[in-house]
Amino acid sequence: GIQVEQSPPDLILQEGANSTLRCNFSDSVNNLQWFHQNPWGQLINLFYIPSGTKQNGRLSATTVATERYSLLYISSSQTTDSGVYFCAVATGANSKLTFGKGITLSVRP
Amino acid sequence: GAVVSQHPSRVICKSGTSVKIECRSLDFQATTMFWYRQFPKQSLMLMATSNEGSKATYEQGVEKDKFLINHASLTLSTLTVTSAHPEDSSFYICSARDLQGAYEQYFGPGTRLTVT
Repeated sequence: GIQVEQSPPDLILQEGANSTLRCNFSDSVNNLQWFHQNPWGQLINLFYIPSGTKQNGRLSATTVATERYSLLYISSSQTTDSGVYFCAVATGANSKLTFGKGITLSVRP
Repeated sequence: GAVVSQHPSRVICKSGTSVKIECRSLDFQATTMFWYRQFPKQSLMLMATSNEGSKATYEQGVEKDKFLINHASLTLSTLTVTSAHPEDSSFYICSARDLQGAYEQYFGPGTRLTVT
């Protein structure tokens, strides 16, 4: 099956700093989603981005499908950005998502 | 829009009993729903794909007789953990794909199951 690798596994930032989270995948995809899992376990949809670039406030994401990677940018980080960020991809009509191992982000005041 | 609910949010049950978890798409129809399982400090693992009006498709290693899935309508899928054991304690999360939409999936808030 498709492989998903996220890096770095852990990231510690000072409030106000910018960061880039990376997701590499091993096959062509028809779905790529970025999520933030909050402390209560809820997965918050950040982006649905199988290709191209999107922005939402301080967050933006770019997926280069031909090179099989996606980047999530967080600018002017806040303590509320802390948590685990997952990238998940799907290939084919069955839509089954494969999740990466996640990136644990800690933003310190 | 695109809200998925789960009920209950947390449940504690005794070993040997069965527990049913509901997953509902509140403002869209979903022919396909998915059930995931997440252990502490780990990623999500797909357990099964739930198709409205047909049998669920289980991932390799997932016991279909233990994790019964029913997708009775375009807005409701249920997961029943039968004869639960402590090792079934986990966080169960469902997702749904909009019938009218693209491949994007929307996730419920999860159900924390503890088997004593």
